[in-house]
Amino acid sequence: EIVLTQSPGTLSLSPGERATLSCRASQSVSSSYLAWYRQKPGQAPRLLIYDTRNRATGIPDRFSGSASGTDFTLTISRLEPEDFAVYYCQKDGRTFGQGTKLEIK
Amino acid sequence: EVQLVESGGGLVQPGGTLRLSCAASGFKFNNYWMHWARQAPGKGLEWVANIKEDGSEKNYVDSVKGRFIISRDNAKNSLYLQMNNLRAEDTAVYYCVSSPRVAVPECWGQGTLVTVSS
Repeated sequence: EIVLTQSPGTLSLSPGERATLSCRASQSVSSSYLAWYRQKPGQAPRLLIYDTRNRATGIPDRFSGSASGTDFTLTISRLEPEDFAVYYCQKDGRTFGQGTKLEIK
Repeated sequence: EVQLVESGGGLVQPGGTLRLSCAASGFKFNNYWMHWARQAPGKGLEWVANIKEDGSEKNYVDSVKGRFIISRDNAKNSLYLQMNNLRAEDTAVYYCVSSPRVAVPECWGQGTLVTVSS
């Protein structure tokens, strides 16, 4: 069973800065079915990226996804106030990472 | 507009049963995989189960196998989760999720809270 490890646990940045979030799979993956979600306090998660690099409907282009081997990355080019939340990666529609909290510095 | 509305949560004693429902609208329900996911208070997300468009394939996380049953009624645009022999560690908000492909859980309901406690 694949385990997803997200880093860092907490990321402190300011609005306008660039954020880089990591999600590492415990074993080599044969598919690119990696998704990223943002969850604001008290709300359901929202799909941001699917199939490693495709933006979901309505997601602005400041969000991008990439991969290198077993390492997956979510990049937010310029942080907006609404981006400060918890981010999760998910593999194959099943296993979730433990989350990265993006907080205002 | 896609809408997923969960119901059926509540307080139940350990060993008890509960049936969650999810009413779907705004999309072709019978063309979508459907999932249940959960989130314990203050914790991360956990995938629980999924079911194929026609109900012919079902998958579960190991911790609920043999206790939970996922089902759907395409005529009623509804998804269900029968939860038996509930444990304290099943306490969580349960989300219904629609998925145009099995690996793309796309839209999430607002969730229903299940509390297992004596």
